[in-house]
Amino acid sequence: GAGVSQSPRYKVAKRGQDVALRCDPISGHVSLFWYQQALGQGPEFLTYFQNEAQLDKSGLPSDRFFAERPEGSVSTLKIQRTQQEDSAVYLCASSLRWTDAEQYFGPGTRLTVT
Amino acid sequence: AQRVTQPEKLLSVFKGAPVELKCNYSYSGSPELFWYVQYSRQRLQLLLRHISRESIKGFTADLNKGETSFHLKKPFAQEEDSAMYYCALSPTGANSKLTFGKGITLSVRP
Repeated sequence: GAGVSQSPRYKVAKRGQDVALRCDPISGHVSLFWYQQALGQGPEFLTYFQNEAQLDKSGLPSDRFFAERPEGSVSTLKIQRTQQEDSAVYLCASSLRWTDAEQYFGPGTRLTVT
Repeated sequence: AQRVTQPEKLLSVFKGAPVELKCNYSYSGSPELFWYVQYSRQRLQLLLRHISRESIKGFTADLNKGETSFHLKKPFAQEEDSAMYYCALSPTGANSKLTFGKGITLSVRP
């Protein structure tokens, strides 16, 4: 079966533009996570969904970041008015159950803000 | 607050040499610990988790609660072990969001 997919794989945005990053989790996976990975760092948690409910958004760095998962499958991470410090790889991961800490990662979207 | 520390950024060894990748954590409760690996041009994937007590690709890791450590070890490194390794922590019984260390690059030379 297909793993977690993300699109686009690469995105270049001019400062001030809005971007939308898409994640398709593994079919049937209840939990979905977004992480941000800056250059030379480990992934950092942004937000978490259980089905369509966003249960934890404590990692979102500002109110310019918004995530949704309206039907409990595909998720979109939106960044408004991008800034240079938003440049990073954005990783999506899914897991079968909400208590299952084994997460399956997508390939990531590399965002470069110029 | 939970934190994962990987004190080294790079470890370079010759094929056949032993490997130990260090990981220390801080967490007030009882965490679950993981090692994730990212091979060149591949996605991040789970290598092993402490509750399974398995040896994967010859790697083992023991949770030492007294020293709050979860070091990854392999007695004889292979060239195909060259990759980026991340130690991660998840609170037990919670929503399982992961806290990662900064990662270490393992380079195994022929």
